[in-house]
Amino acid sequence: AQTVTQSQPEMSVQEAETVTLSCTYDTSESDYYLFWYKQPPSRQMILVIRQEAYKQQNATENRFSVNFQKAAKSFSLKISDSQLGDAAMYFCASQGGSEKLVFGKGTKLTVNP
Amino acid sequence: EPEVTQTPSHQVTQMGQEVILRCVPISNHLYFYWYRQILGQKVEFLVSFYNNEISEKSEIFDDQFSVERPDGSNFTLKIRSTKLEDSAMYFCASAREVRGVTEAFFGQGTRLTVV
Repeated sequence: AQTVTQSQPEMSVQEAETVTLSCTYDTSESDYYLFWYKQPPSRQMILVIRQEAYKQQNATENRFSVNFQKAAKSFSLKISDSQLGDAAMYFCASQGGSEKLVFGKGTKLTVNP
Repeated sequence: EPEVTQTPSHQVTQMGQEVILRCVPISNHLYFYWYRQILGQKVEFLVSFYNNEISEKSEIFDDQFSVERPDGSNFTLKIRSTKLEDSAMYFCASAREVRGVTEAFFGQGTRLTVV
């Protein structure tokens, strides 16, 4: 069984600053994928970034990057130059062995002007 | 940009009634899913659908639930005899396979309120 743990229920950051959201996971699969989804107040789930476990290089999408530590089963999300529009719930998710996503409980990010 | 569309955005129903939640997946996607999110809780997998049949379902997806792709474009979730605890956001997702990984795109969700 896969599990995903987000230990930070809430985080806050000043506009233009950098924030890191933590995620750890557990899986018995050798091939798996990790994702960060953003859920703004509109409640839609938006894919932010994904990481293939077989890739050593950390994924990057503009201001969003991950720190993937495979041995530690850690997958943190770094948001650089935070913007007011980044305020949302952020969910870490894993996928392995089947197509279903297993989500963490989420981290609520507040961006202060 | 193509997107997954769900209707209605909000549905209120009386306990014991049947509801059908509708989804139009992205047209070239082959994998379809339903997830739900009870208010304040994490998103939970319900069911996945591929090649016109259920490929996986969770413990939540019992006989009360069914899915269908009635016309090759829509993907529906039927909940029979709704209970108060079925109140949640229901998300449809569709996915394509890209370099070995199924990348899911979610709809905006249907908020179901059972009264």
